[in-house]
Amino acid sequence: AQSVTQPDIHITVSEGASLELRCNYSYGATPYLFWYVQSPGQGLQLLLKYFSGDTLVQGIKGFEAEFKRSQSSFNLRKPSVHWSDAAEYFCAVASRNNNDMRFGAGTRLTVKP
Amino acid sequence: EAQVTQNPRYLITVTGKKLTVTCSQNMNHEYMSWYRQDPGLGLRQIYYSMNVEVTDKGDVPEGYKVSRKEKRNFPLILESPSPNQTSLYFCASKRQGKVNEQFFGPGTRLTVL
Repeated sequence: AQSVTQPDIHITVSEGASLELRCNYSYGATPYLFWYVQSPGQGLQLLLKYFSGDTLVQGIKGFEAEFKRSQSSFNLRKPSVHWSDAAEYFCAVASRNNNDMRFGAGTRLTVKP
Repeated sequence: EAQVTQNPRYLITVTGKKLTVTCSQNMNHEYMSWYRQDPGLGLRQIYYSMNVEVTDKGDVPEGYKVSRKEKRNFPLILESPSPNQTSLYFCASKRQGKVNEQFFGPGTRLTVL
């Protein structure tokens, strides 16, 4: 069965600094990959997704992620973090029938002024 | 507005008192799912439904029941809640197909005393 690992439980960055959140997955074939963001007290909002094609995926709010098959990774990046980006970020993987989505444990992002 | 709604948003109850958390979507999605979110564990799937009268177990179904009598509704039933079911619950829906993202409700925070 597929699984997702987010190695960083909590990350703190300064406003304006660049950000990279790590995600590694385990799956027998190429899965569908997602990044969701959860602001405090809110539900999950999709930032971006990868299904096929270009391995560099652009999302909302200036985020991007790169699928690296050789490293089984799908890291999320943003060149310049804003205070409003403080939230919890979840990487998720779904099988090709897309019915059994699995989430990582999440990475909580704190943004320092 | 396209959305997934959950009720109640907050619930405190006692061990053994049956409860139902409702979930409704207005997007005519075939697929609906329930997750629980616990610190350090991310989201784990409880049950999912691919269409009316079709439900299946996720990763953590013990202690829960679901039903799918109508396309728009997918209630989560706890027949005899226990303290280990204290959690944040999310309902999600998507169009059935290979490349569709899940849309999440706002969450229901349940405390079982």
